[in-house]
Amino acid sequence: SQELEQSPQSLIVQEGKNLTINCTSSKTLYGLYWYKQKYGEGLIFLMMLQKGGEEKSHEKITAKLDEKKQQSSLHITASQPSHAGIYLCGADLTGTASKLTFGTGTRLQVTL
Amino acid sequence: GAVVSQHPSRVICKSGTSVKIECRSLDFQATTMFWYRQFPKKSLMLMATSNEGSKATYEQGVEKDKFLINHASLTLSTLTVTSAHPEDSSFYICSARDTTGGWGTEAFFGQGTRLTVV
Repeated sequence: SQELEQSPQSLIVQEGKNLTINCTSSKTLYGLYWYKQKYGEGLIFLMMLQKGGEEKSHEKITAKLDEKKQQSSLHITASQPSHAGIYLCGADLTGTASKLTFGTGTRLQVTL
Repeated sequence: GAVVSQHPSRVICKSGTSVKIECRSLDFQATTMFWYRQFPKKSLMLMATSNEGSKATYEQGVEKDKFLINHASLTLSTLTVTSAHPEDSSFYICSARDTTGGWGTEAFFGQGTRLTVV
């Protein structure tokens, strides 16, 4: 079974609409990273969260880590075609700062 | 931000030959580098973790003799796919970070290498 589950798996939204992607784990998320990937390309770092309840924003993207540190959400406001891609959450599930385990990914399409 | 350069971006090789993929950290010292494999429409699967100057740690199910990893310097790690077969065709991505400070530093990713074995 997947240690880090993302939902939804895919999403199609109209330009200008808001959307939320979730990343859930049964284990504590010691360090939680959000990345964006264009298919067949490398990963672009978006944000990193460490503390329970932490929230960070960059341009129209906001990421939160819940108090229990077992779920994170990525919220995009007023989506644009440039937001299209695959969003991946990655987390340290061991607390050893050694490696990241990645979620299943969410494929986002933004229609005009 | 820091840059990780991966080379080549695409490679096609014949079955039975070996292919080397390089991962370089361009403006920071990467004490740890990670190698991932990504299947079509799937997430990243960690293959191994390499620490500079020591042997790589492979994840369960990854053949260490097939996927040779060398991390000879703080800026370079290489992944060699030996005796490649069509089932090795995949997208390989490296990641690098300076782990001496624990979490709080970004993990930077290379551009990825698409390997096709024919």
